[in-house]
Amino acid sequence: QKEVEQNSGPLSVPEGAIASLNCTYSDRGSQSFFWYRQYSGKSPELIMFIYSNGDKEDGRFTAQLNKASQYVSLLIRDSQPSDSATYLCAVKRGGSNYKLTFGKGTLLTVNP
Amino acid sequence: NAGVTQTPKFQVLKTGQSMTLQCAQDMNHNSMYWYRQDPGMGLRLIYYSASEGTTDKGEVPNGYNVSRLNKREFSLRLESAAPSQTSVYFCASSEEGREETQYFGPGTRLLVL
Repeated sequence: QKEVEQNSGPLSVPEGAIASLNCTYSDRGSQSFFWYRQYSGKSPELIMFIYSNGDKEDGRFTAQLNKASQYVSLLIRDSQPSDSATYLCAVKRGGSNYKLTFGKGTLLTVNP
Repeated sequence: NAGVTQTPKFQVLKTGQSMTLQCAQDMNHNSMYWYRQDPGMGLRLIYYSASEGTTDKGEVPNGYNVSRLNKREFSLRLESAAPSQTSVYFCASSEEGREETQYFGPGTRLLVL
């Protein structure tokens, strides 16, 4: 089982809809969870992080974490064409502050 | 404030050639990282430097060496390039106490023929 798994997509949603991106992880000792956005040909940028079970909201973005199910998700409300990008899930495992393990990313396309 | 800069932006090498990828950050960050990104493989950590004077292996260190030249600069060297090292290389940095918030450079596209 891969350490961090994401559906590669593409996930296609109409403008204004809710986009739901999912990620599962294998290491129960994982402590912190991150969502990076990467536009085509560009570098990743951090958009959300979550440490505790439950929901965390930031503008149109909501990160959800369920440690019992080893599942983290990102919801994007009122999706815009500018949200079209690859979304990378990253996990910080216990034992190292420095090592992030990334999933392969989910390509999201928001259609006008 | 340029953030994280990388040179070169693009490079073509022949098998067996060597080269050094340069990375610099002007955010006074303690920690720096080198990743490679391949289609279908995601971002993988090659080496990292927790602080000036220290370096540690990541997930895929074979075939690479690094040097933390000073607090600002962290270079990645390929001694004898192989086609399997064709990839996009990203440098990143983070501040002390917030290591998981990593700021990425624009990347170097490397093609090894």
